[in-house]
Amino acid sequence: DTAVSQTPKYLVTQMGNDKSIKCEQNLGHDTMYWYKQDSKKFLKIMFSYNNKELIINETVPNRFSPKSPDKAHLNLHINSLELGDSAVYFCASSPSGPNTEAFFGQGTRLTVV
Amino acid sequence: GEDVEQSLFLSVREGDSSVINCTYTDSSSTYLYWYKQEPGAGLQLLTYIFSNMDMKQDQRLTVLLNKKDKHLSLRIADTQTGDSAIYFCAAFYNQGGKLIFGQGTELSVKP
Repeated sequence: DTAVSQTPKYLVTQMGNDKSIKCEQNLGHDTMYWYKQDSKKFLKIMFSYNNKELIINETVPNRFSPKSPDKAHLNLHINSLELGDSAVYFCASSPSGPNTEAFFGQGTRLTVV
Repeated sequence: GEDVEQSLFLSVREGDSSVINCTYTDSSSTYLYWYKQEPGAGLQLLTYIFSNMDMKQDQRLTVLLNKKDKHLSLRIADTQTGDSAIYFCAAFYNQGGKLIFGQGTELSVKP
């Protein structure tokens, strides 16, 4: 059983479009995250939700809007896509607190053309 | 501030030991992690260490922590070609409750 699953795995779209990436975890974790990995492999946190509540929003353009309908899901919607949004987006989840392992999804490779 | 730094590349021969180094800035970090990323895959937790420990060993992996210098290292004994991957150091920052990653060290193991 997949612990953290993201869909789609690959997404190619044109500039200006709006797209969503879905994430679901079946681990019963309270906290979910979105990370962006750029072409140089740098990983940067974008958002964190705890029990459906936004905890972290790291200077991400407001074209990016996370939505957490329940604590097992954290979706990422991106409006007006730009070339610079091309990256791999990783969803992760963890139990609350620092002494915990964050489990990562397989990533969604977004290419904006 | 929140910063985690690693060297970007390391190349070793199969059978040698690999040592990947990491420095972090926030002395309040309580947990420090090593993740492995294989090509096209997500991140897999290898090991973690609590800040009141100096060393942790798990089979071929040894983590050393120098809290005074805010320096963390991962040693892989008897490195195999299957260990070729990118290794990320990460620090949990209590203020803000987030995991900050280093840039990743690309380990290349040559036969």
